[in-house]
Amino acid sequence: DVVLTQSPLSLPVTLGQPASISCKSSQSLVYSNGQTFLSWFQQSPGQSPRRLIYKVSNRDSGVPDRFSGSGSGTDFTLNISRVEAEDVAVYYCMQGAHWPRTFGQGTQVDIK
Amino acid sequence: VQLQESGPGLVKPSETLSLTCTVSDFSIGYGYYWGWIRQPPGKGLEWIAEMFPSGGSHYNPSLESRVAISVDTSKNQFSLKLNSVTAADTAIYYCTRDWVDGTGFDYWGPGILVTVSS
Repeated sequence: DVVLTQSPLSLPVTLGQPASISCKSSQSLVYSNGQTFLSWFQQSPGQSPRRLIYKVSNRDSGVPDRFSGSGSGTDFTLNISRVEAEDVAVYYCMQGAHWPRTFGQGTQVDIK
Repeated sequence: VQLQESGPGLVKPSETLSLTCTVSDFSIGYGYYWGWIRQPPGKGLEWIAEMFPSGGSHYNPSLESRVAISVDTSKNQFSLKLNSVTAADTAIYYCTRDWVDGTGFDYWGPGILVTVSS
């Protein structure tokens, strides 16, 4: 199975400041068609996960543009340009290039 | 697209967990995988299995021997069965829609907590 390792696992951030979460994969997430299948999900307290980013850097509809994704191959990053109170959540990366689908351990983002 | 899980919230050890997901405002016969993900209380996400309605399914190897997934396009529903459950199977179970190309789970149900206990 592909192992996704997120860091940090806990991220206290001051309101209005940037935040960055790393996701490193044990295998390349580049599929045979040349596309890279790494997604990011946000799980707010008591809620189902919500997809924010797909194929590394594509924002889902309705996702604020302060969220951005980047990376390639095995190293990926989720950036929040200016953290707002509503961004308090656990963030997960997920790979769709290989079966079984796997998730990172999750990163808890809180306000300092 | 709306997904809603249903089923017993309490299952006895060694018995079979059975859940159904009802999909609204979208026909499940149209070009996506439909599947299940679970989350033990306070822990991370674990992908269980998913199925393409016209054939083709994938299972998590760690659960494959105990899991069955099926789709009923006439009812616009799909189901999960997990047998020989133990306390380790206690979790919130989410049903999801997944893209065929690996783009990821764009729709989730609200989740249903299933507790395994005698």
